[in-house]
Amino acid sequence: QVQLKESGPGLMQPSETLSLTCTVSGFSLTSNGVGWVRQPLGKGLVWMGTIWAGGSTNYNSAVQSRLSISRDTSKSQVFLKMNSLQPEDTGTYYCARHRVYGFDYWGQGVMVTVSS
Amino acid sequence: DIQMTQSPSLLSASVGDRVTLSCKASQNIYKYLNWYQQKLGEAPKLLIYYTNSLQTGIPSRFSGSGSGTDFTLTISSLQPEDVATYYCYQYNSGPTFGAGTKLELK
Repeated sequence: QVQLKESGPGLMQPSETLSLTCTVSGFSLTSNGVGWVRQPLGKGLVWMGTIWAGGSTNYNSAVQSRLSISRDTSKSQVFLKMNSLQPEDTGTYYCARHRVYGFDYWGQGVMVTVSS
Repeated sequence: DIQMTQSPSLLSASVGDRVTLSCKASQNIYKYLNWYQQKLGEAPKLLIYYTNSLQTGIPSRFSGSGSGTDFTLTISSLQPEDVATYYCYQYNSGPTFGAGTKLELK
């Protein structure tokens, strides 16, 4: 069955670079897109960016200058890297399969806290 | 960017009630609108895509309608397990989510 699982450090310092990994199973990255969605604590959902089946990427303009999404298809992994972290980047980060009609399967999420 | 406005932000209803949640887009999004359910401590779950298509495994008491800028999610008979926050999501251009409607039991 389709599964996604996020992993990465839980605590980061301001100005550091965040690296998260999304490991997927049950579908191919060469046939499906994977996106990242952030949720600040107690707040709503924000799409951050997506890597599509062909390898192209799209980013939310609000974070585009700091964000990079890549993948390793042989390992079924998608990576998020975001630099210049600030406390407002604190939240739960989800990866989700991104189909033409939106996100259909989601990972459990990983909590990231940015604090000195 | 397309803004999505959900109302109300908080809704209290009783078991068995017919519940209606609203979502308005800042510009025409045709029918490119999904609804997601997020229970406390869980990841969002896709309920409805393309305005009115029910995702596999979702109970038929959930339904969606609308087009253009005005959309509605209806729960025909509220169940205790429906307590959650509901988000609309547009994918006509640069996907965006609404701020959510928190649904609680009265």
